[in-house]
Amino acid sequence: DIQMTQSPSSLSASVGDRVTITCRASQTISNYLNWYQQKPGKAPKLLIYAASSLQSGVPSRFSGSGSGTDFTLTISSLQPEDFATYYCQQSYNTLWTFGQGTKVEIK
Amino acid sequence: EVQLVESGGGLVQPGGSLRLSCAASGFTFSGYAVSWVRQAPGKGLEWVSAISASGGSTYYADSVKGRFTISRDNSKNTLHLQMNSLRAEDTAVYYCAKDSEGYGSGTFDYWGQGTLVTVSS
Repeated sequence: DIQMTQSPSSLSASVGDRVTITCRASQTISNYLNWYQQKPGKAPKLLIYAASSLQSGVPSRFSGSGSGTDFTLTISSLQPEDFATYYCQQSYNTLWTFGQGTKVEIK
Repeated sequence: EVQLVESGGGLVQPGGSLRLSCAASGFTFSGYAVSWVRQAPGKGLEWVSAISASGGSTYYADSVKGRFTISRDNSKNTLHLQMNSLRAEDTAVYYCAKDSEGYGSGTFDYWGQGTLVTVSS
């Protein structure tokens, strides 16, 4: 199975901050990388697919980059509604796997 | 509006069985693959199983292979997950997730609200 490792596991940030979350795959996955946001008690929501494509309806302050094994999710200016847990997920092969999550908390 | 509504969760003893269902609406159900993804209490997301749009192809995580069976009824816009030989480690919220493609791309663009399965004596 392809292992996905996110860093950091958690971070504290203030409204307006630029936030970066990284995700590393245990083998090359080209650009088959998705990012999801999950708020407490809610289902995950797709933010970014194919490493850098913004899902319809997602604010443009979210962006993704990377290819191969190293990927990044960036929130350009953190908003109150962005405090949540973020997961990366590889869609390279059918045994799809998620990272362990990064919890973004209020500083 | 795309809607996915799971049902069938509950408390079951170890070794028991449970059948989850997911009712889909707001899109052409027969045109897309669908998956089950679970989340143990306080833990991360784990993909469990997927089925192609036609139902002709099915996929399972190693952790559930041989115990769980995914199926779909395109005439009723419904997805099922038959879970047998349940273990304590199967305790989780189970989400139904729509794939963005018919063949199963692994990109989940819509999710249900989840149904809780608790395996305990």
